[in-house]
Amino acid sequence: EPEVTQTPSHQVTQMGQEVILRCVPISNHLYFYWYRQILGQKVEFLVSFYNNEISEKSEIFDDQFSVERPDGSNFTLKIRSTKLEDSAMYFCASTKGPGYTGELFFGEGSRLTVL
Amino acid sequence: DQQVKQNSPSLSVQEGRISILNCDYTNSMFDYFLWYKKYPAEGPTFLISISSIKDKNEDGRFTVFLNKSAKHLSLHIVPSQPGDSAVYFCAASEGGTASKLTFGTGTRLQVTL
Repeated sequence: EPEVTQTPSHQVTQMGQEVILRCVPISNHLYFYWYRQILGQKVEFLVSFYNNEISEKSEIFDDQFSVERPDGSNFTLKIRSTKLEDSAMYFCASTKGPGYTGELFFGEGSRLTVL
Repeated sequence: DQQVKQNSPSLSVQEGRISILNCDYTNSMFDYFLWYKKYPAEGPTFLISISSIKDKNEDGRFTVFLNKSAKHLSLHIVPSQPGDSAVYFCAASEGGTASKLTFGTGTRLQVTL
């Protein structure tokens, strides 16, 4: 069964360092997303990406965050200068396209710990 | 910004009985609702969805009911099985699944033997 894969599964970094989280969405999917979940809180939308550009972003997704699809398979989330409050589980997701019958497929997540 | 609320943080049900998980929303623009199941250290897994043009959708042991006037939806699991023990998230979107999802805080379901 096709799945969304994410690397690394866990990353520990010092405050102020840059972090790149990587995702390989399902191959025939066209819409890509990043969500995050701070420990004990709800899953929150960060950004959606379609046709090589951001289609929507949340207030959380400020100038410290960026996304990129550098080739035909990878989708990355970069945090330029990490803060303590960026510690969370980051989930990549993908879907084929708009409509009311599909669903979002999530990866297993990348846990980011900022010290 | 509590547009989607799950007021019960946890629920314990005996195996074989019905589990009912509830979700309320405040944004009347939401037109598509989903339930996700999540195990620890894994990503959310899609369970079932419902469009606002319907009031019920069924898939095997899982049924979702939507009451638009009350802005309330519920997930029924019958019969409950120990493998159903997980955190269940309600989510909603405006404009189908290609739009961003707004999640509730989750309900931890424990199915006991």
